Amino acid sequence: ETGVTQSPTHLIKTRGQQVTLRCSSQSGHNTVSWYQQALGQGPQFIFQYYREEENGRGNFPPRFSGLQFPNYSSELNVNALELDDSALYLCASSLAAAEYNEQFFGPGTRLTVL
Amino acid sequence: ILNVEQSPQSLHVQEGDSTNFTCSFPSSNFYALHWYRWETAKSPEALFVMTLNGDEKKKGRISATLNTKEGYSYLYIKGSQPEDSATYLCAGWGNEKLTFGTGTRLTIIP
Repeated sequence: ETGVTQSPTHLIKTRGQQVTLRCSSQSGHNTVSWYQQALGQGPQFIFQYYREEENGRGNFPPRFSGLQFPNYSSELNVNALELDDSALYLCASSLAAAEYNEQFFGPGTRLTVL
Repeated sequence: ILNVEQSPQSLHVQEGDSTNFTCSFPSSNFYALHWYRWETAKSPEALFVMTLNGDEKKKGRISATLNTKEGYSYLYIKGSQPEDSATYLCAGWGNEKLTFGTGTRLTIIP
């Protein structure tokens, strides 16, 4: 059983640039959630995708967007990067979008915006 | 907005001692409470998902309880070992999403 993987591990961008982060779900999982973890905080929910449709969104501006593909892998896109976007981005997959399903996390992508 | 709080923020415990920490959340609109362990340089790993008032779950030396009426959960570690050093995150499920606390960073002193 393959776990959740994310790429890249680290990347550095400059203000105003765009970035795409990728996530491969655990086998059999149809739901992916993305989180942003800034220094000293817990993971903050960005959005969730269930069977290729956005299924919930946190308090993040529209320049944060996502996609889920037929194989349930997912992308997080951030446009017009700001310094405050520097954070660890985590994705997590689960069997379904339900409160009783544990989430399986990837190792994260560390984004630095200069 | 679901507000999840954890205490203490950090904790140092002697190897062999037992310890516990707290997660509090609003008791209204509660659906589930998740606990995750996050070791340095690894991915967060699910420990427990609890939904019912009075739930008690156990995994080895780690256990958790849930009180949905008063809005808190306790995580207990019995006989702490160095491998228990990690950040422990709790998260409440509400409004179709998980809201995480800021975590309790546990360090076991050999």
